[in-house]
Amino acid sequence: DGGITQSPKYLFRKEGQNVTLSCEQNLNHDAMYWYRQDPGQGLRLIYYSQIVNDFQKGDIAEGYSVSREKKESFPLTVTSAQKNPTAFYLCASSITGSNSPLHFGNGTRLTVT
Amino acid sequence: KQEVTQIPAALSVPEGENLVLNCSFTDSAIYNLQWFRQDPGKGLTSLLLIQSSQREQTSGRLNASLDKSSGRSTLYIAASQPGDSATYLCAFNFNKFYFGSGTKLNVKP
Repeated sequence: DGGITQSPKYLFRKEGQNVTLSCEQNLNHDAMYWYRQDPGQGLRLIYYSQIVNDFQKGDIAEGYSVSREKKESFPLTVTSAQKNPTAFYLCASSITGSNSPLHFGNGTRLTVT
Repeated sequence: KQEVTQIPAALSVPEGENLVLNCSFTDSAIYNLQWFRQDPGKGLTSLLLIQSSQREQTSGRLNASLDKSSGRSTLYIAASQPGDSATYLCAFNFNKFYFGSGTKLNVKP
């Protein structure tokens, strides 16, 4: 079955450490996205990529970095510069084009202490 | 910046009731609208997608409508069941997707 795989499901890190969240899709989608979800808030866009080797900042990119070396993969690194990294992170993908729906992975819950 | 508002934030109903969830947006120049369901600790599952040229979409007991002129969308759930309990989110696509904060639905047996 086609889908989006995020790993790990739960991640714990000490403050000051960088951490990388994995997102892999086998839907053959060109566009991939990272969102952050905090309790009681809507999803906020961190980074997105519409083609391999290219990506753009979203609304809350500070303290995060991404790469897009392969079409299937869009890892997100949460750096020590992110002031409040504890959150639920969601990866999504879509066919490039304004009429295409979003498909989501099951998320990674990151806790930084 | 686009604003997406979902009302109510939470809703509790007895099983079998029909219900309506509301979503409003500030700019009518949307490409499409998508309704999602999210179970606790899980990702978002797409329920319905309405293109900007459409007025509504139906899937089983779900019906979503779109009124661009008033900046509103509604999700109608018929004959609600306990298994419908989840958070429902709407997202508008203005070339980027903007999400509401969701309506948490509890259907009591």
